[in-house]
Amino acid sequence: DTAVSQTPKYLVTQMGNDKSIKCEQNLGHDTMYWYKQDSKKFLKIMFSYNNKELIINETVPNRFSPKSPDKAHLNLHINSLELGDSAVYFCASSQDGNQPQHFGDGTRLSIL
Amino acid sequence: DQQVKQNSPSLSVQEGRISILNCDYTNSMFDYFLWYKKYPAEGPTFLISISSIKDKNEDGRFTVFLNKSAKHLSLHIVPSQPGDSAVYFCAASELNTGNQFYFGTGTSLTVIP
Repeated sequence: DTAVSQTPKYLVTQMGNDKSIKCEQNLGHDTMYWYKQDSKKFLKIMFSYNNKELIINETVPNRFSPKSPDKAHLNLHINSLELGDSAVYFCASSQDGNQPQHFGDGTRLSIL
Repeated sequence: DQQVKQNSPSLSVQEGRISILNCDYTNSMFDYFLWYKKYPAEGPTFLISISSIKDKNEDGRFTVFLNKSAKHLSLHIVPSQPGDSAVYFCAASELNTGNQFYFGTGTSLTVIP
């Protein structure tokens, strides 16, 4: 059973489009995250939610909007995609903010 | 500004020898450190952690050392095995101040059979 699953695994789309990435965890964790790994392999946090409440919102363009319908899901919606959004996006979860995180396998987003 | 740095992008080691991966940090308030292992096309997997009250933590073949005065930690793998070939990320946080973990850029370890 996959603990943290995110879909799709690959996403190729045109500049200007709107897309969503879904994330679900079956670990019963209270905290979920979105990370962006850029071309330099730098893994940087974008958002953190605890029990559906936004905890961390790093300096991310407001074209990126996380949505947490329940504590097992944290989806990422991106409006008006730009070339610089090309990256691998990882979803993660942890029991609380002080525990190691469990990561999904990533979504590779490519903007044409 | 990158608060956690892994200055060696890659490392090659013979099977059976020791692998030493290094990590430096700049924020003296960090008090919890983790190592993750990542295979291609997969997400990072938690490997081992250490809090600032200790200077060493061991789990099987993996040992993490923390030098707070130097703001430096290292991961030792002994003996190294071909299955250890992966990218290793270190991460750091300030406990109880939120859910913010800062990651290094990773070191790609290749263990040669």
